[in-house]
Amino acid sequence: GAGVSQSPRYKVAKRGQDVALRCDPISGHVSLFWYQQALGQGPEFLTYFQNEAQLDKSGLPSDRFFAERPEGSVSTLKIQRTQQEDSAVYLCASSLRTSGSYEQFFGPGTRLTVL
Amino acid sequence: GESVGLHLPTLSVQEGDNSIINCAYSNSASDYFIWYKQESGKGPQFIIDIRSNMDKRQGQRVTVLLNKTVKHLSLQIAATQPGDSAVYFCAENRAGGYNKLIFGAGTRLAVHP
Repeated sequence: GAGVSQSPRYKVAKRGQDVALRCDPISGHVSLFWYQQALGQGPEFLTYFQNEAQLDKSGLPSDRFFAERPEGSVSTLKIQRTQQEDSAVYLCASSLRTSGSYEQFFGPGTRLTVL
Repeated sequence: GESVGLHLPTLSVQEGDNSIINCAYSNSASDYFIWYKQESGKGPQFIIDIRSNMDKRQGQRVTVLLNKTVKHLSLQIAATQPGDSAVYFCAENRAGGYNKLIFGAGTRLAVHP
């Protein structure tokens, strides 16, 4: 079966533009996570969905960042009025269950460059 | 693809040698730990995990050791191969909740033939 997919793989935006990043999790996976990975750093948690419910958005850097998962499958991370400091790889991960210790499967990421 | 870990500490080993990658974690309440491998242009890939009630867990060519006293985690790779070259991250899960992962800084492993 297919793994987690993300699109686009690369996105270049001019400062001030809005961008939308898409994540297709593994079918049937209840949990979905977004992480931000700056160059040379480990991934940092942004937000978490359990089905369509966004249960934790504590990692979103500002109110310019917005995520949704309206039908409990595909998720979109939207960044409004992009800034240069938003340049990073945005990773999506999904997992089958909602609690306990279990594997998160990561997508390849979207590399965002803000000029 | 882009390079992962340009400014990370690097461990250089010869092909066939054993590798040991270390990680210090921050929260004594963490109860689940995972090692991920990340190749350039790809997302992190699960290698092995360990729960806090264990000290050691073995997989295929990999062993994870957990020392809760000093909050230290290590990944041992036996007979390191060129395909093992990547950036390795440890991650911890705070007890309870939905498995929100906190990643460490990462170590680049370079395997030389």
